[in-house]
Amino acid sequence: AQTVTQSQPEMSVQEAETVTLSCTYDTSESDYYLFWYKQPPSRQMILVIRQEAYKQQNATENRFSVNFQKAAKSFSLKISDSQLGDAAMYFCAYWKGGSEKLVFGKGMKLTVNP
Amino acid sequence: DTEVTQTPKHLVMGMTNKKSLKCEQHMGHRAMYWYKQKAKKPPELMFVYSYEKLSINESVPSRFSPECPNSSLLNLHLHALQPEDSALYLCASSQVALRTEAFFGQGTRLTVV
Repeated sequence: AQTVTQSQPEMSVQEAETVTLSCTYDTSESDYYLFWYKQPPSRQMILVIRQEAYKQQNATENRFSVNFQKAAKSFSLKISDSQLGDAAMYFCAYWKGGSEKLVFGKGMKLTVNP
Repeated sequence: DTEVTQTPKHLVMGMTNKKSLKCEQHMGHRAMYWYKQKAKKPPELMFVYSYEKLSINESVPSRFSPECPNSSLLNLHLHALQPEDSALYLCASSQVALRTEAFFGQGTRLTVV
């Protein structure tokens, strides 16, 4: 079974600084996708960034970028120029191609200090 | 429109009540999902509907009854719930088999008293 591990339950960062959230996963599949979702206190799960396993290039969305190390099964999220609005729970998630199940990590609470 | 709308946002119900949660999307997605989320935990999958047919039931107790009347609407009927069923219930939708990403609603905060 596929598993997703987020080993850091909480992190904090100063506003305008950079922070990296770690995620590792375990799979024997070759066709899969990885996601980072953000869940602020408003409760809605919001997609931050998405990475297809077959793409070697790391995904980037504005201040958010990933370091996808396929051989190491690592998928970390870097947030640059952190803003107060980035404070939230962050979930790493895995989806196997053709499946209907998203597998979530346990989540990590990010605090942004002014 | 990339919105998944859930109603109500908050619900308090007694253990003998019957209530329903509603979820609606107009993105043309043919896969819809119910998740249950406890505080500070990841969402747990409950049900998946694909092309309006139930494709996954994660061994959810029968006091939770899903319904998908059409491709835009997903309901979760609740009956004889227990206090431990209190949680955030999230609805999501996607293209079938998650060909892109899942879009989530804001959830219904359910309290069973």
